[in-house]
Amino acid sequence: ILNVEQSPQSLHVQEGDSTNFTCSFPSSNFYALHWYRWETAKSPEALFVMTLNGDEKKKGRISATLNTKEGYSYLYIKGSQPEDSATYLCAFRMTTDSWGKLQFGAGTQVVVTP
Amino acid sequence: EAGVTQFPSHSVIEKGQTVTLRCDPISGHDNLYWYRRVMGKEIKFLLHFVKESKQDESGMPNNRFLAERTGGTYSTLKVQPAELEDSGVYFCATGQGYNEQFFGPGTRLTVL
Repeated sequence: ILNVEQSPQSLHVQEGDSTNFTCSFPSSNFYALHWYRWETAKSPEALFVMTLNGDEKKKGRISATLNTKEGYSYLYIKGSQPEDSATYLCAFRMTTDSWGKLQFGAGTQVVVTP
Repeated sequence: EAGVTQFPSHSVIEKGQTVTLRCDPISGHDNLYWYRRVMGKEIKFLLHFVKESKQDESGMPNNRFLAERTGGTYSTLKVQPAELEDSGVYFCATGQGYNEQFFGPGTRLTVL
């Protein structure tokens, strides 16, 4: 059984503050790490697909880094806004899952208060 | 371009009844995945189609679950008979290749 862990489980952020949270995954058989942003009753929105150790990706105020050797990824939100409130999911894909099967963490729920 | 759509958005049934969930993929996406999120837990893989063929069924919990994708277009997931522990959000995701998956909004299933 593979463990994809996300921490913290939830966090509250003041509008304008920056924040970050972690996804840890097995460092062996790594193929890709996906980040999604999910608001309840909506489709999880793909943020990043990361494949290379040391990868850094950015989309607006959201960015992510990847360390495949130690098995973790950080997601950063700069200058949080209320619309950033969502659950952020990471999903790990192994080299042996050539057909694309994803294994998800339980998510980090972010609440941004004005 | 239309995204992945799922129907119904919410279903409430009693234990022992049958429910059929439907997923319509993005046009041209051969890969179709079903996932499930039980309350408070992580999203878990159920199965994967390539066109109309089941490529990986390793996540299907038991034989009360039956997935089909006739003609390689839309897919259905039938639960018969439903049990309390089947409650959760059922997601469908599709992709042209294997590197990206676009998710639908999910069907929230409540079994009473």
